Amino acid sequence: SSELTQDPAVSVALGQTVRITCQGDSLRSYYASWYQQKPGQAPVLVIYGKNNRPSGIPDRFSGSSSGNTASLTITGAQAEDEADYYCKSRDSSGNLRVFGGGTKLTVL
Amino acid sequence: EVQLVESGGGLVQPGGSLRLSCAASGFTFSTYSMNWVRQAPGKGLEWVSYISSSSSTIYYADSVKGRFTISRDNAKNSLYLQMNSLRAEDTAVYYCAREGGSGFLYYFDYWGQGTLVTVSS
Repeated sequence: SSELTQDPAVSVALGQTVRITCQGDSLRSYYASWYQQKPGQAPVLVIYGKNNRPSGIPDRFSGSSSGNTASLTITGAQAEDEADYYCKSRDSSGNLRVFGGGTKLTVL
Repeated sequence: EVQLVESGGGLVQPGGSLRLSCAASGFTFSTYSMNWVRQAPGKGLEWVSYISSSSSTIYYADSVKGRFTISRDNAKNSLYLQMNSLRAEDTAVYYCAREGGSGFLYYFDYWGQGTLVTVSS
């Protein structure tokens, strides 16, 4: 079982804002990173740390963190944002890497 | 341009062995920690193993500890995963991923395209 908990599925209307959350005790000590994965493709890093975007990631993607919860927010969701989203951080020992179970985002 | 290219996947019988490789280019491989991540068909991402830049620190997920061995050859810009005693539940696409960050922030900034391992009789 994952030490990071995500909602299995979330939906958002086109152009609206959606927040995907990730909960885990290790998030009190370690920042989360977020990955987007579309069918048949490798994951892509979209947010890391408090709110850092790699080059090429649209600024509609943002991140935040409070206590044991990290969040990925998409402001003005686009059809191409429909994908699975995974958070990643560390386990309670701080040594092992761990992924959340993933959230399937549907853009209506 | 950073590139990670996995190879070595295929069909193997339960109890068998397989060695995956990940060829890195476009960056100074010897200065980065690396990881293997897998994804079973229709399932989520599962972290498998980590190796530091100098190979001095290695970690494994409990699900593979004692059966899988991660290694690297910095002279060849290559990462490896030796998989022994394979089980049906090891069937997955295996990705190599570069790890960036430090302190309390770590992330996988580049991923390969993955290689499929199927364990079946």
